[in-house]
Amino acid sequence: DAKTTQPNSMESNEEEPVHLPCNHSTISGTDYIHWYRQLPSQGPEYVIHGLTSNVNNRMASLAIAEDRKSSTLILHRATLRDAAVYYCILRDPDYGGSQGNLIFGKGTKLSVKP
Amino acid sequence: DAGVIQSPRHEVTEMGQEVTLRCKPISGHDYLFWYRQTMMRGLELLIYFNNNVPIDDSGMPEDRFSAKMPNASFSTLKIQPSEPRDSAVYFCASSYGAAGYEQYFGPGTRLTVT
Repeated sequence: DAKTTQPNSMESNEEEPVHLPCNHSTISGTDYIHWYRQLPSQGPEYVIHGLTSNVNNRMASLAIAEDRKSSTLILHRATLRDAAVYYCILRDPDYGGSQGNLIFGKGTKLSVKP
Repeated sequence: DAGVIQSPRHEVTEMGQEVTLRCKPISGHDYLFWYRQTMMRGLELLIYFNNNVPIDDSGMPEDRFSAKMPNASFSTLKIQPSEPRDSAVYFCASSYGAAGYEQYFGPGTRLTVT
């Protein structure tokens, strides 16, 4: 399985942008990059995903390096509610069986200071 | 939509007792997943179903664990007999389609076995 590497923790100030990095040097050509987050005492929540091009949605932006060996989740203005563990996950949707499923690592714990 | 519904939210039981966790997926979703989360092991996939049929149960820790999905709107995860090491938060998630880009997680059941 392709693996991802994320910092264990990061800090941010409220209302400032946050850049959460993820390294995935062994990514395959068909792997999508998914981001989920888990707020305290809640289940994980989908944030965004992409393949090659940068992606934007109402929650965040995903910047993908040209060689696809790294990506960055961007929260444009952090709020206290964004304090959570953020998981970067590689997934091949064309892979049948369990290998096409989400495999959660330890993620990055984001703290947001008021 | 009410989202994925899990019950009970908290369960405290004594070692040796049978425990049944319940999940109602989002209507129309054809994939259902059971995860377990502990501090030591993080978030692990236990089993998943497609159209009510178990596809991969390789994550189920041992024979004491069993899962069923009698219809599209209900699934159970049973532990019999329960042991203290089964204490964890158990999440149910559902998604639509083979790709299942977005998995929607329930709030989880916190199980404590004394």
